[in-house]
Amino acid sequence: GAGVSQSPSNKVTEKGKDVELRCDPISGHTALYWYRQSLGQGLEFLIYFQGNSAPDKSGLPSDRFSAERTGGSVSTLTIQRTQQEDSAVYLCASSLESQTSSYEQYFGPGTRLTVT
Amino acid sequence: GDSVTQMEGPVTLSEEAFLTINCTYTATGYPSLFWYVQYPGEGLQLLLKATKADDKGSNKGFEATYRKETTSFHLEKGSVQVSDSAVYFCALQRYGGSQGNLIFGKGTKLSVKP
Repeated sequence: GAGVSQSPSNKVTEKGKDVELRCDPISGHTALYWYRQSLGQGLEFLIYFQGNSAPDKSGLPSDRFSAERTGGSVSTLTIQRTQQEDSAVYLCASSLESQTSSYEQYFGPGTRLTVT
Repeated sequence: GDSVTQMEGPVTLSEEAFLTINCTYTATGYPSLFWYVQYPGEGLQLLLKATKADDKGSNKGFEATYRKETTSFHLEKGSVQVSDSAVYFCALQRYGGSQGNLIFGKGTKLSVKP
């Protein structure tokens, strides 16, 4: 079946502009995660949505970052007033979820964001 | 907080050589442990996992054993191939509640020469 998809695949923006990154998880997956991959910081967790629970936003680096998940499916990560240090590959992942089991997270291809 | 430490690369080996990539972790409780691989130009994909102490994960000739006493999850392969060239990430996950995100090591780049 279809995997996790992300759009756009590449985004170049000017410093100070807002950007929106989209993630379509695997159908039926209740958990959705955003991560960031950059040369200096490696792979960092940003935010986690689990079913109808309040999202875990503990990884967001500043209040310029926000995310929402509509209808328990598609998610949008928004970065306001972008800075050069926001340049990275933004990865989305989804998984089944359980209070007692650990399920594989399936990753999308990522969105490469370049802030000029 | 929870963390993962893995050996820094890059690692360069000849084909058919033995591979070990060390990974240790710090976590409270009993996390699940994973190795993810990122081939050139491709996305992250799960290589293997282990969910409790003494479990051995294996896939594509790679193995790793969950060692609680040494808090380690070292990745091994007896005979690497050129096609194994990739970046390997060790990760842990505390599942349940709102703690399902993965915590990754910095990654180890492996290059295998013919």
